[in-house]
Amino acid sequence: ETGVTQSPTHLIKTRGQQVTLRCSSQSGHNTVSWYQQALGQGPQFIFQYYREEENGRGNFPPRFSGLQFPNYSSELNVNALELDDSALYLCASSPGGTGGKYEQYFGPGTRLTVT
Amino acid sequence: GESVGLHLPTLSVQEGDNSIINCAYSNSASDYFIWYKQESGKGPQFIIDIRSNMDKRQGQRVTVLLNKTVKHLSLQIAATQPGDSAVYFCAERALAAGNKLTFGGGTRVLVKP
Repeated sequence: ETGVTQSPTHLIKTRGQQVTLRCSSQSGHNTVSWYQQALGQGPQFIFQYYREEENGRGNFPPRFSGLQFPNYSSELNVNALELDDSALYLCASSPGGTGGKYEQYFGPGTRLTVT
Repeated sequence: GESVGLHLPTLSVQEGDNSIINCAYSNSASDYFIWYKQESGKGPQFIIDIRSNMDKRQGQRVTVLLNKTVKHLSLQIAATQPGDSAVYFCAERALAAGNKLTFGGGTRVLVKP
């Protein structure tokens, strides 16, 4: 069974640029959630995708957007990058949607640095 | 509002002793809780979970206790090993809010040889 994978591992961007982060969910999982983890803090929920539809969103501005593909992999896009967007971006997959199993398994994350 | 917090930011434990990590939550509607372990440079690793209709669940060397009366969650690690050194997070979920997890700030566990 393949775990959750994310790419790239590290990324450096300049303020105002756009970035796309990618996630492949664990085999058999159809739900993907994205979290932002600032240094020294717990992860903060950005949004979740279930069967290619957004299924819940945290307190993040619209410049944070996402996609989920038919194979359940997902992308996180951030436009107009700000210095405060520097963080570890985590993807988590889970087996079911709103009525399914709840445990979420995390990937290793993408470390984004905005200069 | 929803929040999950931890009492102790850093816990130093002698190798072989038992560790107890505490967590307070404020959302009485939360119905599911998870403990994660995060090592430096890695994503959170699932340790154990518990649903709100239970008050105790045991895994391999770990036990989670849930006290809904005082909105308190704890993780007990038996015979702590050097490999247990990490930051531990508790997370809660409220079904009415969807399947998102709300995390606390984390407790760092340092295992002394």
